[in-house]
Amino acid sequence: DSGVTQTPKHLITATGQRVTLRCSPRSGDLSVYWYQQSLDQGLQFLIQYYNGEERAKGNILERFSAQQFPDLHSELNLSSLELGDSALYFCASSPRLDWNEQFFGPGTRLTVL
Amino acid sequence: AQSVSQHNHHVILSEAASLELGCNYSYGGTVNLFWYVQYPGQHLQLLLKYFSGDPLVKGIKGFEAEFIKSKFSFNLRKPSVQWSDTAEYFCAVTNYGQNFVFGPGTRLSVLP
Repeated sequence: DSGVTQTPKHLITATGQRVTLRCSPRSGDLSVYWYQQSLDQGLQFLIQYYNGEERAKGNILERFSAQQFPDLHSELNLSSLELGDSALYFCASSPRLDWNEQFFGPGTRLTVL
Repeated sequence: AQSVSQHNHHVILSEAASLELGCNYSYGGTVNLFWYVQYPGQHLQLLLKYFSGDPLVKGIKGFEAEFIKSKFSFNLRKPSVQWSDTAEYFCAVTNYGQNFVFGPGTRLSVLP
Protein backbone atom coordinates (compact mmCIF):
# COMPACT_ATOMS: atom_id res chain seq x y z
CA ASP A 1 0.00 0.00 0.00
CA SER A 2 1.57 3.23 -1.20
CA GLY A 3 -0.65 5.52 0.86
CA VAL A 4 -2.14 7.08 -2.27
CA THR A 5 -5.85 6.44 -2.72
CA GLN A 6 -7.96 6.76 -5.82
CA THR A 7 -11.68 6.59 -6.30
CA PRO A 8 -13.55 5.06 -7.90
CA LYS A 9 -11.74 1.83 -8.75
CA HIS A 10 -13.84 1.23 -11.82
CA LEU A 11 -15.97 3.54 -13.89
CA ILE A 12 -18.13 2.60 -16.87
CA THR A 13 -19.71 5.36 -18.87
CA ALA A 14 -20.88 6.24 -22.37
CA THR A 15 -19.34 8.31 -25.10
CA GLY A 16 -19.94 12.03 -24.73
CA GLN A 17 -20.22 11.89 -20.97
CA ARG A 18 -18.09 13.59 -18.33
CA VAL A 19 -16.44 11.92 -15.35
CA THR A 20 -14.34 12.99 -12.39
CA LEU A 21 -11.57 10.88 -10.92
CA ARG A 22 -10.32 11.59 -7.44
CA CYS A 23 -6.89 11.17 -5.88
CA SER A 24 -5.77 11.60 -2.29
CA PRO A 25 -1.99 11.87 -1.96
CA ARG A 26 0.12 10.42 0.84
CA SER A 27 0.02 12.46 4.00
CA GLY A 28 2.40 15.39 3.65
CA ASP A 29 3.00 15.03 -0.09
CA LEU A 30 2.57 18.28 -1.96
CA SER A 31 2.92 17.06 -5.55
CA VAL A 32 0.27 15.10 -7.40
CA TYR A 33 0.76 13.63 -10.85
CA TRP A 34 -1.75 12.09 -13.23
CA TYR A 35 -0.96 9.37 -15.75
CA GLN A 36 -2.92 7.45 -18.36
CA GLN A 37 -2.08 3.83 -19.13
CA SER A 38 -3.56 2.28 -22.24
CA LEU A 39 -2.62 -0.64 -24.43
CA ASP A 40 -1.79 1.45 -27.47
CA GLN A 41 -0.20 4.50 -25.81
CA GLY A 42 1.47 2.89 -22.81
CA LEU A 43 2.01 4.99 -19.71
CA GLN A 44 1.72 8.70 -20.41
CA PHE A 45 2.23 11.59 -18.06
CA LEU A 46 -0.72 13.97 -18.14
CA ILE A 47 -0.21 16.74 -15.60
CA GLN A 48 1.46 17.68 -12.31
CA TYR A 49 0.20 19.89 -9.50
CA TYR A 50 2.27 21.15 -6.63
CA ASN A 51 0.62 22.71 -3.60
CA GLY A 52 -2.41 23.72 -5.61
CA GLU A 53 -0.66 25.03 -8.69
CA GLU A 54 -0.17 23.42 -12.07
CA ARG A 55 3.56 22.83 -12.55
CA ALA A 56 4.05 20.58 -15.57
CA LYS A 57 1.93 19.43 -18.44
CA GLY A 58 2.37 16.34 -20.56
CA ASN A 59 0.16 14.77 -23.18
CA ILE A 60 -3.10 15.95 -21.71
CA LEU A 61 -5.99 16.53 -24.09
CA GLU A 62 -7.92 19.78 -24.02
CA ARG A 63 -11.03 17.78 -23.04
CA PHE A 64 -9.23 16.82 -19.83
CA SER A 65 -8.55 19.12 -16.90
CA ALA A 66 -7.34 18.74 -13.36
CA GLN A 67 -7.10 20.68 -10.16
CA GLN A 68 -5.59 20.31 -6.72
CA PHE A 69 -7.57 21.54 -3.75
CA PRO A 70 -6.36 23.21 -0.53
CA ASP A 71 -6.45 19.87 1.28
CA LEU A 72 -4.09 18.62 -1.49
CA HIS A 73 -6.43 16.05 -2.99
CA SER A 74 -6.73 16.25 -6.74
CA GLU A 75 -9.40 15.61 -9.31
CA LEU A 76 -9.03 14.76 -12.98
CA ASN A 77 -12.01 15.74 -15.10
CA LEU A 78 -12.55 13.99 -18.40
CA SER A 79 -15.24 15.37 -20.69
CA SER A 80 -16.77 14.56 -24.08
CA LEU A 81 -15.50 11.05 -23.57
CA GLU A 82 -14.50 8.94 -26.54
CA LEU A 83 -13.95 5.20 -26.85
CA GLY A 84 -10.22 5.82 -26.98
CA ASP A 85 -10.25 7.37 -23.52
CA SER A 86 -10.78 3.93 -22.02
CA ALA A 87 -7.69 3.36 -19.92
CA LEU A 88 -6.27 3.01 -16.45
CA TYR A 89 -5.72 6.40 -14.86
CA PHE A 90 -3.08 6.54 -12.16
CA CYS A 91 -2.23 9.29 -9.82
CA ALA A 92 1.00 9.53 -7.92
CA SER A 93 2.26 11.80 -5.19
CA SER A 94 5.64 12.92 -3.95
CA PRO A 95 6.82 15.15 -1.13
CA ARG A 96 8.46 17.78 -3.29
CA LEU A 97 8.47 19.32 -6.71
CA ASP A 98 11.45 17.42 -8.05
CA TRP A 99 9.95 14.09 -9.26
CA ASN A 100 12.41 12.33 -6.99
CA GLU A 101 10.21 9.48 -5.94
CA GLN A 102 6.61 9.09 -6.85
CA PHE A 103 4.22 6.86 -4.97
CA PHE A 104 1.51 5.52 -7.19
CA GLY A 105 -2.10 4.85 -6.39
CA PRO A 106 -3.98 1.72 -7.48
CA GLY A 107 -5.58 3.47 -10.44
CA THR A 108 -9.09 4.03 -11.76
CA ARG A 109 -10.11 1.87 -14.68
CA LEU A 110 -12.30 3.85 -17.04
CA THR A 111 -14.35 2.06 -19.66
CA VAL A 112 -16.14 4.17 -22.24
CA LEU A 113 -18.85 2.29 -24.14
CA ALA B 1 11.05 15.55 -27.40
CA GLN B 2 12.27 12.98 -24.94
CA SER B 3 11.64 9.34 -25.66
CA VAL B 4 12.44 6.11 -23.90
CA SER B 5 12.83 2.77 -25.59
CA GLN B 6 12.99 -0.63 -24.00
CA HIS B 7 14.62 -3.35 -26.01
CA ASN B 8 12.33 -6.23 -25.24
CA HIS B 9 8.57 -6.42 -25.16
CA HIS B 10 8.44 -9.78 -23.37
CA VAL B 11 11.23 -11.73 -21.69
CA ILE B 12 10.81 -15.29 -20.48
CA LEU B 13 13.37 -16.74 -18.08
CA SER B 14 13.70 -19.72 -15.81
CA GLU B 15 14.27 -19.20 -12.11
CA ALA B 16 17.90 -18.49 -11.19
CA ALA B 17 18.67 -17.12 -14.65
CA SER B 18 20.31 -13.72 -14.91
CA LEU B 19 18.30 -10.77 -16.13
CA GLU B 20 19.20 -7.71 -18.12
CA LEU B 21 16.52 -5.37 -19.44
CA GLY B 22 17.63 -2.69 -21.81
CA CYS B 23 16.59 0.95 -21.66
CA ASN B 24 17.71 3.80 -23.88
CA TYR B 25 16.57 7.39 -23.79
CA SER B 26 16.90 10.30 -26.14
CA TYR B 27 17.72 13.55 -24.42
CA GLY B 28 20.98 15.42 -24.52
CA GLY B 29 20.79 17.24 -21.22
CA THR B 30 20.91 16.19 -17.61
CA VAL B 31 18.31 13.58 -16.79
CA ASN B 32 17.08 11.60 -13.85
CA LEU B 33 16.42 7.94 -14.54
CA PHE B 34 14.11 5.44 -12.91
CA TRP B 35 12.99 1.85 -13.08
CA TYR B 36 9.48 1.07 -11.88
CA VAL B 37 7.88 -2.34 -11.51
CA GLN B 38 4.21 -3.27 -11.75
CA TYR B 39 3.36 -6.67 -10.28
CA PRO B 40 0.17 -8.30 -11.58
CA GLY B 41 -2.83 -6.43 -10.25
CA GLN B 42 -0.74 -3.97 -8.27
CA HIS B 43 0.32 -0.36 -8.55
CA LEU B 44 3.65 0.87 -9.85
CA GLN B 45 6.53 0.74 -7.40
CA LEU B 46 9.93 2.34 -7.61
CA LEU B 47 12.77 -0.18 -8.00
CA LEU B 48 15.66 2.25 -8.21
CA LYS B 49 16.65 5.68 -9.44
CA TYR B 50 19.70 7.54 -10.66
CA PHE B 51 20.16 11.25 -10.08
CA SER B 52 23.94 11.71 -9.90
CA GLY B 53 27.11 10.12 -8.56
CA ASP B 54 27.96 6.45 -8.88
CA PRO B 55 26.49 5.26 -12.19
CA LEU B 56 25.85 1.83 -10.72
CA VAL B 57 22.78 2.08 -8.55
CA LYS B 58 21.31 -0.58 -6.35
CA GLY B 59 17.63 -0.89 -5.73
CA ILE B 60 15.22 -3.06 -3.88
CA LYS B 61 14.85 -6.83 -4.22
CA GLY B 62 18.40 -7.33 -5.54
CA PHE B 63 18.01 -5.20 -8.66
CA GLU B 64 20.67 -2.85 -9.93
CA ALA B 65 21.07 -0.59 -12.93
CA GLU B 66 23.99 1.01 -14.68
CA PHE B 67 23.85 4.46 -16.21
CA ILE B 68 26.11 4.76 -19.25
CA LYS B 69 25.92 8.38 -20.33
CA SER B 70 27.77 7.87 -23.61
CA LYS B 71 25.25 5.25 -24.65
CA PHE B 72 22.19 7.02 -23.25
CA SER B 73 21.40 3.76 -21.52
CA PHE B 74 20.14 2.68 -18.11
CA ASN B 75 19.93 -1.10 -18.15
CA LEU B 76 18.37 -3.06 -15.32
CA ARG B 77 20.04 -6.20 -14.04
CA LYS B 78 19.48 -8.95 -11.53
CA PRO B 79 21.91 -11.87 -11.13
CA SER B 80 19.29 -14.50 -10.30
CA VAL B 81 15.57 -14.03 -10.89
CA GLN B 82 12.78 -15.59 -8.89
CA TRP B 83 9.24 -16.52 -9.85
CA SER B 84 8.07 -13.55 -7.77
CA ASP B 85 9.88 -11.18 -10.15
CA THR B 86 7.22 -11.85 -12.76
CA ALA B 87 5.94 -8.36 -13.53
CA GLU B 88 6.07 -5.51 -15.99
CA TYR B 89 9.11 -3.26 -15.79
CA PHE B 90 9.14 0.36 -16.89
CA CYS B 91 12.11 2.59 -17.47
CA ALA B 92 11.43 6.32 -17.09
CA VAL B 93 13.27 9.59 -17.51
CA THR B 94 12.68 13.14 -16.41
CA ASN B 95 14.63 16.28 -17.16
CA TYR B 96 14.11 18.20 -13.94
CA GLY B 97 10.40 18.32 -14.01
CA GLN B 98 9.67 19.40 -17.54
CA ASN B 99 8.18 16.05 -18.36
CA PHE B 100 8.20 12.49 -17.15
CA VAL B 101 8.43 9.90 -19.90
CA PHE B 102 7.93 6.18 -19.43
CA GLY B 103 9.19 3.51 -21.78
CA PRO B 104 6.70 1.06 -23.27
CA GLY B 105 7.48 -1.55 -20.62
CA THR B 106 8.97 -5.04 -20.67
CA ARG B 107 6.92 -7.93 -19.45
CA LEU B 108 9.03 -10.45 -17.54
CA SER B 109 7.75 -13.97 -17.05
CA VAL B 110 9.79 -16.20 -14.76
CA LEU B 111 9.09 -19.90 -15.04
CA PRO B 112 9.33 -21.92 -11.83
